[in-house]
Amino acid sequence: AQTVTQSQPEMSVQEAETVTLSCTYDTSESDYYLFWYKQPPSRQMILVIRQEAYKQQNATENRFSVNFQKAAKSFSLKISDSQLGDAAMYFCAYRSAFSGNTPLVFGKGTRLSVIA
Amino acid sequence: GAVVSQHPSRVICKSGTSVKIECRSLDFQATTMFWYRQFPKKSLMLMATSNEGSKATYEQGVEKDKFLINHASLTLSTLTVTSAHPEDSSFYICSARAASGEGTGELFFGEGSRLTVL
Repeated sequence: AQTVTQSQPEMSVQEAETVTLSCTYDTSESDYYLFWYKQPPSRQMILVIRQEAYKQQNATENRFSVNFQKAAKSFSLKISDSQLGDAAMYFCAYRSAFSGNTPLVFGKGTRLSVIA
Repeated sequence: GAVVSQHPSRVICKSGTSVKIECRSLDFQATTMFWYRQFPKKSLMLMATSNEGSKATYEQGVEKDKFLINHASLTLSTLTVTSAHPEDSSFYICSARAASGEGTGELFFGEGSRLTVL
């Protein structure tokens, strides 16, 4: 079974600074997807960024980018120019591409605080 | 983007009663829906996978008789917590797979339902 590990329960960053959230995963599959989700106090899950395993190029979405190291099974999220609205719980997630019935497997999450 | 609506967002019930939570895909057909449970300050734990027109597949440790899942149409899945007890209090979230989004692997989430059992 696949597992996702987030080793940082809590992180903090100064406003306008850069922070990196760590994520590692374990799988024997070669084809899969990786995601970072943001969960603010409203509890709504918001997709931040996704990465297809077959793509070597790291995904970027405005201030958010990932460092995807397939061989190391590492998928870190970098948030640049941090804003107060970035404060939330961040979950790293894995999804197999084997079939459409596969769910997301989540890490335990990292709570990010942004200091004004 | 694909929209998933979950209702009710909050529900309070007495111990021993049953509560139904609905998960609707508003602008796409969801052949598969996933139900997650989230305890305070914890991660999302998969409870079950439901496919339209067939019985749900439950994760190990999840009581299928307590958490009844029905996926009768391509746009609606329901989770019924039967004979609820205080330990069933939690945040329940559904997510849905859209066939059109399969190339991205993305699942779409409802807003979640907070259940409090007194």
